Amino acid sequence: QQQVKQSPQSLIVQKGGISIINCAYENTAFDYFPWYQQFPGKGPALLIAIRPDVSEKKEGRFTISFNKSAKQFSLHIMDSQPGDSATYFCAATLTSGSARQLTFGSGTQLTVLP
Amino acid sequence: DAGVTQSPTHLIKTRGQQVTLRCSPISGHKSVSWYQQVLGQGPQFIFQYYEKEERGRGNFPDRFSARQFPNYSSELNVNALLLGDSALYLCASNQLGMDTQYFGPGTRLTVL
Repeated sequence: QQQVKQSPQSLIVQKGGISIINCAYENTAFDYFPWYQQFPGKGPALLIAIRPDVSEKKEGRFTISFNKSAKQFSLHIMDSQPGDSATYFCAATLTSGSARQLTFGSGTQLTVLP
Repeated sequence: DAGVTQSPTHLIKTRGQQVTLRCSPISGHKSVSWYQQVLGQGPQFIFQYYEKEERGRGNFPDRFSARQFPNYSSELNVNALLLGDSALYLCASNQLGMDTQYFGPGTRLTVL
């Protein structure tokens, strides 16, 4: 069970609002949870990451909330801006053999209206 | 500092052909991973290499192969191309022992 489930598929938020994206996992071997932002035609760029021994991590307008018992984590974007319009991916990492393997969610297309 | 670089940017091939994609990691990064991103989906892990050896492989057929060179750059090869191989191929690098992977801009492969 290396799947990471992400919701919603798309999200429309007004400028200044809060964007919330949720992810869930089954495999407790996952031990590192990054969030990536991807603009059209570009590669994913790391936004923020968390380990399961921490319940919350904040960097600027971006916050990860992590619930280890529920095997869920979420990204909150405060004061959302039109420039935040992009696709967001949650991901989870585990050790497989001698590799650190990153598994991505299916993505959330965020649109922030001006 | 330069980020992860990939070449070519775009590539068009026909079914049955073979393709080679190239990746140069961030200076100091010795680990390289390859991902396939089909339109509208998240990237899927193909390979991870470090110290010139394959360290992990995702659920991809043997038509996919890769190698890493002494300068830590890497090539991904795909043989006998299928229409379903059309995707954005992403390379990521990381420092050994560090989890953060940094992605390149990708190579857009179209198979006709």
